[in-house]
Amino acid sequence: EVQLVESGGGLVEPGGSLRLSCAASGFTFSTYSMNWVRQAPGKGLEWISYISSSGSTKQYADSVKGRLTISRDNARNSLYLQMNSLRDEDTAVYYCARDATAEAFDIWGQGTMVTVSS
Amino acid sequence: DIQMTQSPSSLSASVGDRVTITCRASQSISTYLNWYQQKPGKAPKLLIYAASSLQSGVPSRFSGSGSGTDFTLTISSLQPEDSSTYYCQQTSSTPWTFGQGTKVEIK
Repeated sequence: EVQLVESGGGLVEPGGSLRLSCAASGFTFSTYSMNWVRQAPGKGLEWISYISSSGSTKQYADSVKGRLTISRDNARNSLYLQMNSLRDEDTAVYYCARDATAEAFDIWGQGTMVTVSS
Repeated sequence: DIQMTQSPSSLSASVGDRVTITCRASQSISTYLNWYQQKPGKAPKLLIYAASSLQSGVPSRFSGSGSGTDFTLTISSLQPEDSSTYYCQQTSSTPWTFGQGTKVEIK
């Protein structure tokens, strides 16, 4: 079964750090670009980061640039999001999503909740 | 950044009705337009990619059309399980951006 499973979310104080992971299975992870998308409580979807299949190209939304870092380990079939200098407005469910035809996101994880609060 | 505007923000329709949701881009995006369905507490699900291509496994009552700046998602005969929020997304240029969502309720 093609699957993405996120982990690493939790409660963190403003200014703190967190590392999210996304474990892929059921497909050849190394051949797909990947993304992180977040959704604040009761709000819409926000794309925040992209990484190419090799990891050589990375892109970020302005709202997270310089604070969040995307990476991947193709040998471990895993995607990561290192989150530093967290703010209240980073509180959201974070989804990893596979990039398929025409950059559409065809497979999503179940999401992991990140709460930034003192 | 390319802004995506959906209309309406919400709608209520009866089972069997034809439902249309519109998405407008702030500049031309060719056919780099995708549609997702999201149920409460669940991850989004891809319905339509490249404006009009039906994702594998998605019922044929869903269809998409449009190019340039104006796009439409149509549900030809609304079913109870279609009660969800629908989002459009442009992937013409980063940052990829989503519409604000359209909540579809069943009367």
